Amino acid sequence: SQQGEEDPQALSIQEGENATMNCSYKTSINNLQWYRQNSGRGLVHLILIRSNEREKHSGRLRVTLDTSKKSSSLLITASRAADTASYFCAAQTSGSRLTFGEGTQLTVNP
Amino acid sequence: GAVVSQHPSRVICKSGTSVKIECRSLDFQATTMFWYRQFPKQSLMLMATSNEGSKATYEQGVEKDKFLINHASLTLSTLTVTSAHPEDSSFYICSASAGPREQFFGPGTRLTVL
Repeated sequence: SQQGEEDPQALSIQEGENATMNCSYKTSINNLQWYRQNSGRGLVHLILIRSNEREKHSGRLRVTLDTSKKSSSLLITASRAADTASYFCAAQTSGSRLTFGEGTQLTVNP
Repeated sequence: GAVVSQHPSRVICKSGTSVKIECRSLDFQATTMFWYRQFPKQSLMLMATSNEGSKATYEQGVEKDKFLINHASLTLSTLTVTSAHPEDSSFYICSASAGPREQFFGPGTRLTVL
């Protein structure tokens, strides 16, 4: 399977700072999704951006998509300790199939 | 949002035994269910895709005779790990989809094979 790449693999910041995570993928997509996973738990869907969209906001989340570069970024503003988790991008291609990136482990220090 | 459950949440078994994991969509009918495996500190790897009433489609490298998938109804899919070995120890996550866009994920099942 084609795995996307995410960077950084790990990010440690102070509460109140912004966190930016990047994701690259390899094939044409229908949309790109971001998920959050707390340690040992299932995935929580955060936001979906369609291939014809360039930017999307949801609360403290901002996602951008550059289909020419096959890349996306997730920005979390004014981070909180509760944002500590792993964040995955997932590219949706044919049908419902999702291909996940390697993930970024975000640690927000109080 | 849509709710997907998995049972059990955690299972420990002896090498050579079989383990069944259930995935249920509680408040919607899932035409497609997906099974993923996640090793520690790694990403989710798709194992197979199952559509209700038909055979599952397995990803390359996933043994269909070892990982038996049954999707007998629109709300239930099961994954059976047959003759489990320690290397099968992993976090298994299912997801369910009612349409082409969003998948709803279960909470995962932690399998430990001794």
